[in-house]
Amino acid sequence: AQSVAQPEDQVNVAEGNPLTVKCTYSVSGNPYLFWYVQYPNRGLQFLLKYITGDNLVKGSYGFEAEFNKSQTSFHLKKPSALVSDSALYFCAVRDYGGAGSYQLTFGKGTKLSVIP
Amino acid sequence: GAVVSQHPSRVICKSGTSVKIECRSLDFQATTMFWYRQFPKQSLMLMATSNEGSKATYEQGVEKDKFLINHASLTLSTLTVTSAHPEDSSFYICSARDRGLGNTEAFFGQGTRLTVV
Repeated sequence: AQSVAQPEDQVNVAEGNPLTVKCTYSVSGNPYLFWYVQYPNRGLQFLLKYITGDNLVKGSYGFEAEFNKSQTSFHLKKPSALVSDSALYFCAVRDYGGAGSYQLTFGKGTKLSVIP
Repeated sequence: GAVVSQHPSRVICKSGTSVKIECRSLDFQATTMFWYRQFPKQSLMLMATSNEGSKATYEQGVEKDKFLINHASLTLSTLTVTSAHPEDSSFYICSARDRGLGNTEAFFGQGTRLTVV
């Protein structure tokens, strides 16, 4: 089965500083990787995905992620953090489900706190 | 992007009663919908996958008689928590995949906070 790992439960960063939320993956074959953000008591919002092509993927709200095959990583980044970026971030990988379709397998999530 | 609407956003029910949660894809057809459960400060746990017109496939450890899933149309899936108990209190999230987008990303509903008293 495919899996992703988010090694940090929490990341704190000062407003205006660059932020990185880490994700590593374990897959057989080519990975389909995703980042989602969740605000309190809300569902998940799609940020970006990597399927193929350029290793640097640009997504919503100024976020980007770098796919690194040699390090099996897909870290989420933003050049300048905003207080409104404070939320729970999930990395996910597409996995083959028992229902004959693809499903997402999520990491445990990383809570990002941007300090004013 | 595609919109998935989940209703209700919040529900409180008494022990022993049943609660139905709806998940609708508003502007696309979703042949496959997923139901997740999320405990506080934890990740999403996939409960089941439902394909339109067929029975849902449940993950190991999820009671199919307790969590009834119906996916009767390409835009609607429902999750019914039967004979609810306080331990069923949780945040339930649905997601749907737009079959017109190459079967890659999924879109999520806003979630339902279920509290069983």
